Amino acid sequence: ELKVEQNPLFLSMQEGKNYTIYCNYSTTSDRLYWYRQDPGKSLESLFVLLSNGAVKQEGRLMASLDTKARLSTLHITAAVHDLSATYFCAVTLNAGGTSYGKLTFGQGTILTVHP
Amino acid sequence: DAGVIQSPRHEVTEMGQEVTLRCKPISGHNSLFWYRQTMMRGLELLIYFNNNVPIDDSGMPEDRFSAKMPNASFSTLKIQPSEPRDSAVYFCASSRRGVNTEAFFGQGTRLTVV
Repeated sequence: ELKVEQNPLFLSMQEGKNYTIYCNYSTTSDRLYWYRQDPGKSLESLFVLLSNGAVKQEGRLMASLDTKARLSTLHITAAVHDLSATYFCAVTLNAGGTSYGKLTFGQGTILTVHP
Repeated sequence: DAGVIQSPRHEVTEMGQEVTLRCKPISGHNSLFWYRQTMMRGLELLIYFNNNVPIDDSGMPEDRFSAKMPNASFSTLKIQPSEPRDSAVYFCASSRRGVNTEAFFGQGTRLTVV
């Protein structure tokens, strides 16, 4: 059974600081996703990471993937209040098979950025 | 594109009643997923379809839950009879096969069973 674990689950940051959210998964995966969810809202796709060593950046967020360690990180640079949200990582298996697209999610990291 | 469209956005029903949630995937997407989100269990996949065919329904909690996809542009998730523990946010998502594909989520239906 595929398990996905994030840490920390709660993160309180000051504006301007840097921090990293970690996502570990238990079995070999084809791809890893990061999503953002604002309170009461849907999930917004942030990044899709497809291969070992993949790194993607958008604004103050940067995501990376180490498939050998089964680890992805989401790094936040110089946090601002607008980044306050819940961040989920999700993993799929067997891109070539019928389970393609079947996402298993981590627990989510609730990020709060304080002035 | 309007994205994945779900209806209703909110549903309050009494225990024992039938509830039907609806989803219209993004045009051209051939995979559709139903997820449930609760505080206790997080995001769980209930069922997913490829080309309108149910592929994996192992996440459907009980026989009270059923899902259909009669065509490429419409899916329903039905709960009959509903129970208070079914209260959750139900998300529908769709995706297209491909290298860089990702699942796009609807706005969700917040279901409250009293």
